[in-house]
Amino acid sequence: GAVVSQHPSRVICKSGTSVKIECRSLDFQATTMFWYRQFPKKSLMLMATSNEGSKATYEQGVEKDKFLINHASLTLSTLTVTSAHPEDSSFYICSALRSQGGYGYTFGSGTRLTVV
Amino acid sequence: GENVEQHPSTLSVQEGDSAVIKCTYSDSASNYFPWYKQELGKGPQLIIDIRSNVGEKKDQRIAVTLNKTAKHFSLHITETQPEDSAVYFCAASLGDTDKLIFGTGTRLQVFP
Repeated sequence: GAVVSQHPSRVICKSGTSVKIECRSLDFQATTMFWYRQFPKKSLMLMATSNEGSKATYEQGVEKDKFLINHASLTLSTLTVTSAHPEDSSFYICSALRSQGGYGYTFGSGTRLTVV
Repeated sequence: GENVEQHPSTLSVQEGDSAVIKCTYSDSASNYFPWYKQELGKGPQLIIDIRSNVGEKKDQRIAVTLNKTAKHFSLHITETQPEDSAVYFCAASLGDTDKLIFGTGTRLQVFP
């Protein structure tokens, strides 16, 4: 149990285009999901907290207009990288908070974004 | 804000030996401390976690100890196997919020 599906696993896009990444909790409801960014051989940096039915809260230094987050249901959060540039290339990871049936965080498998 | 330091950054051990990774945190209000294993190109997988009201937790070859006074917690892996090779991250909750702050990671290599 406690599976989070993240898609796509890899995406290559052209500069200036937008990319949407989906994060789904498959067997539990998640009122709170998180989005992280990870650079090669580095740690996970929290970008934003996604709350079902309300606006996401962003960490300091993260552009909310660049990284649009939508959490429209209890099982789905999306991250859209708008007007992508090569510096947005990174590994993006979501996690979902389980508050029932055992507290904890389940992570998605990550999305490798390459902007060319 | 919360700061989580992790040591060592790399650790090489012989198969069968034990491995210990240590983390310190700064926020005394932190109450949840998970450890994750991350393989190349994949998301982190929880291997063990501990809450602030417990000093030690064990699951087969893996154990975690927490010293709240000193604000540090450690991961212990016994009888290491080559498949334990990965990057391990500690994390601490940001105060009593649901946010997690991650350590800098430890690359563990277990040689056969």
